[in-house]
Amino acid sequence: GAVVSQHPSRVICKSGTSVKIECRSLDFQATTMFWYRQFPKKSLMLMATSNEGSKATYEQGVEKDKFLINHASLTLSTLTVTSAHPEDSSFYICSARGGGINQPQHFGDGTRLSIL
Amino acid sequence: GENVEQHPSTLSVQEGDSAVIKCTYSDSASNYFPWYKQELGKGPQLIIDIRSNVGEKKDQRIAVTLNKTAKHFSLHITETQPEDSAVYFCAASLYTDKLIFGTGTRLQVFP
Repeated sequence: GAVVSQHPSRVICKSGTSVKIECRSLDFQATTMFWYRQFPKKSLMLMATSNEGSKATYEQGVEKDKFLINHASLTLSTLTVTSAHPEDSSFYICSARGGGINQPQHFGDGTRLSIL
Repeated sequence: GENVEQHPSTLSVQEGDSAVIKCTYSDSASNYFPWYKQELGKGPQLIIDIRSNVGEKKDQRIAVTLNKTAKHFSLHITETQPEDSAVYFCAASLYTDKLIFGTGTRLQVFP
């Protein structure tokens, strides 16, 4: 149980392109989803928290116009990196949490984004 | 805000030995402490978690201890196997919101 699927697993695109990453909870309803960024051999840094049907809450220093998050249903959240540049290249990982604040976060397998 | 430190950054053990990874946190309000295992190119997998009303929790070869007074918690893996090789992250949070992760420990188990 508690499977989170993230798609695509890898994307390579040109500078200036917008890229959409999907995060789906496959066997539970995710009232809250989280988006993290991880640099090589580094820890995970929380970018934003999204609740179904509400606007995402972004962490300090994260540009909300650069990283658009939509959580339109209880099983799907999307992260769109707009006008991506090489410095946006990173490993993006989502997590999902069902139920309330005592339920654990379950992570997807991440998306490796490379901007040329 | 919360800050989590994790040691050691790398740990090499012989198969069958025990491995211990330690974390300290700064915010006394934190009450949830999960441990995640991350394999290369994959997302983190929850392996065990503990809440502040519990001092110790065990699941087969894995155990976690929590010392609220000292604000530190540890992961213990006994009878290590090569498949335990991965990067392990501790985290702390208030309930299960906004996980603040440690810097990770790369565990290598040699046959």
